[in-house]
Order: sequence, then C-alpha cells, then structure tokens
Amino acid sequence: EIVMTQSPATLSVSPGERATLSCRASQNLRRNYLAWYHQKPGQAPRLLISGASSRATGIPDRISGSGSGTEFTLTISSLQSEDFAVYYCQQYEDWPITFGQGTRLEIK
Amino acid sequence: QVQLVESGGGVVQPGGSLRLSCAVSDFNFRTWGMHWVRQAPGKGLEWVAFIRYDGSSKFHADSVKGRFTISRDNSKNTLFLQMDSLRGGDTAMYYCAKDGYIRGWGNYQDVWGNGVTVTVSS
Repeated sequence: EIVMTQSPATLSVSPGERATLSCRASQNLRRNYLAWYHQKPGQAPRLLISGASSRATGIPDRISGSGSGTEFTLTISSLQSEDFAVYYCQQYEDWPITFGQGTRLEIK
Repeated sequence: QVQLVESGGGVVQPGGSLRLSCAVSDFNFRTWGMHWVRQAPGKGLEWVAFIRYDGSSKFHADSVKGRFTISRDNSKNTLFLQMDSLRGGDTAMYYCAKDGYIRGWGNYQDVWGNGVTVTVSS
C-alpha cells in the first residue's frame, strides 16, 4: 500500500497571503497520479487538482499543483475566505487508492 | 448538473447489515466507474471500493474485503454498497463518487454526493 503523508497537519495563514501544502508518497508515482481535494465543514470533498497539476473544472488559477515522483505541492496564492478548509492529497497510481491524513488550513 | 444522492444509512447493531444506494442523474452513468469513500467522525477520508462502468471489475479496500460488496444497476442509474458483518469501526459518513475517467480503471473522483451516515452501535 502506498502511504501518503501530508505536512504540516495545520497551517495558519492570513487572508491574501500564500499557502504551501506538501504531500509525500511512500513509493514513486511514475505516472504522477496524484489528486488534491478540499473539504469544508459539513460538506463533501471537492476535487481541485488531478494528475498532480491539472486544475479541475471551476477551480481558480490561484490554486496550483506541482511535483512529481514522491514529492508534491499544492500552492494557493492570495488566500480567500473560501480557501480555509481541510486539504487532502490522494494517489490513484496503484490499488488501494489512498489519501493523506489531511492539512487543516486555518485563518491566522 | 450531475447529481449523486446516497440513501440507506442508519443505525445498525454490530454484526448487522445495511445496503447503501446512490442514485445518479444527469450524466451517462453506464460509461463511468464509481467509488465509495468513507469518513469516520472527525477523521480523514478512506477509499472503500470501486466498480468499473460495466461492472466487470471491482476493487475493495482490505478493511472491508469479504464484508462489503460494491455493485451497480446501469438500467436504474444506481450504485450500491452491501455492507455485512458491520463493526464499530465502520461508523462513518459514506460518500459515493464518480470516477474521473470515462470507462477508466479507477482514478480520482470528480463528483461527490453529499453522503449518508452509518452508525454501528449496540
């Protein structure tokens, strides 16, 4: 099983600033099959990024994904109020599909 | 607009069974794989199961293998999760979600339902 490790567990950032979230895979994701989701309280997760860097429909370009192999990053520039949520990375390179434990992005 | 609506959740005793359903509308259900993902109270996301668009292949997480079974009825645009031998650790919100690749082999999930609650307790 590929273990996904996210850091930090909690990130405190002021509105308008940049946030950088990290995700590490225990094995090389050769095809970069890495997705990012965010989840607001009481809501279902929402897809942000697939294939490590492709934004999903309707996702603003202030949200971007990068990385390859075992190290991946989600960057949110100029944080808006709606960006404060829990973020999960997910690998779909191999079975079973696995998620990271999540990073809580909170208002500083 | 694509909609996924889960139902069938509730409170069940340990060792009991439940069958979750996910009714789908506004997309060509029979050409997309589907997933179940769960989230225990206050915890992160756990992928549970995937079924290919035509039901030809199914994958289950080790934590539910042999107890849960994913299935689908393409004539009724409905996804199912049969849950048997339920345990306390199965208590969670259960989400159905659409796969991101048409006729794919299991990828990311691009559309999610609002979820249904399953509580296993005596």
